[in-house]
Amino acid sequence: AQSVTQPDIHITVSEGASLELRCNYSYGATPYLFWYVQSPGQGLQLLLKYFSGDTLVQGIKGFEAEFKRSQSSFNLRKPSVHWSDAAEYFCAVGVTGGFKTIFGAGTRLFVKA
Amino acid sequence: NAGVTQTPKFRILKIGQSMTLQCTQDMNHNYMYWYRQDPGMGLKLIYYSVGAGITDKGEVPNGYNVSRSTTEDFPLRLELAAPSQTSVYFCASSYRGGGEDEQFFGPGTRLTVL
Repeated sequence: AQSVTQPDIHITVSEGASLELRCNYSYGATPYLFWYVQSPGQGLQLLLKYFSGDTLVQGIKGFEAEFKRSQSSFNLRKPSVHWSDAAEYFCAVGVTGGFKTIFGAGTRLFVKA
Repeated sequence: NAGVTQTPKFRILKIGQSMTLQCTQDMNHNYMYWYRQDPGMGLKLIYYSVGAGITDKGEVPNGYNVSRSTTEDFPLRLELAAPSQTSVYFCASSYRGGGEDEQFFGPGTRLTVL
């Protein structure tokens, strides 16, 4: 069965430090992969997506993610975190041929001054 | 474009009451979805629609109903509300379906059933 695992429930980083949020998926075929961000009281907004091609994808707000097929991972990175990045981040897998996107449980990011 | 709009933003229901959560999108998307979000659980799909007049169940449809009479609107109906339906509900839409496309989300409705 398809699944998405975000091992870290919450992460705290200092402003200006680098960030990596982990995502592992279980899916039989080449997946469609997404990272969404949810600010408090808001809906989810797409940060970036991977469908095929270059395994390093760039997104909005300075985020990037790398697809590693051998590790079934799609980790999100940012070189320097800003206080406004504090939010909850969701990794998701799109199921091809089915009308379904599977979301991870989310990682809440706290940014300290 | 307003994108995806949802009303109300907040609601408190008593056990056994009913209500309809409204969702409208102005992007002419055929695909629309209802999710519920519970702490530490991510998003669970309740119902989805692939176009006007066509709906289908997701992972957690029990206690809910939907209709899709127009491309723009996809209301979610709760009958006989139960405390287990306390959650945040998100409506979303996409241009393509099949999990292949990004989804655009509304701001959510926070529902409490007491």
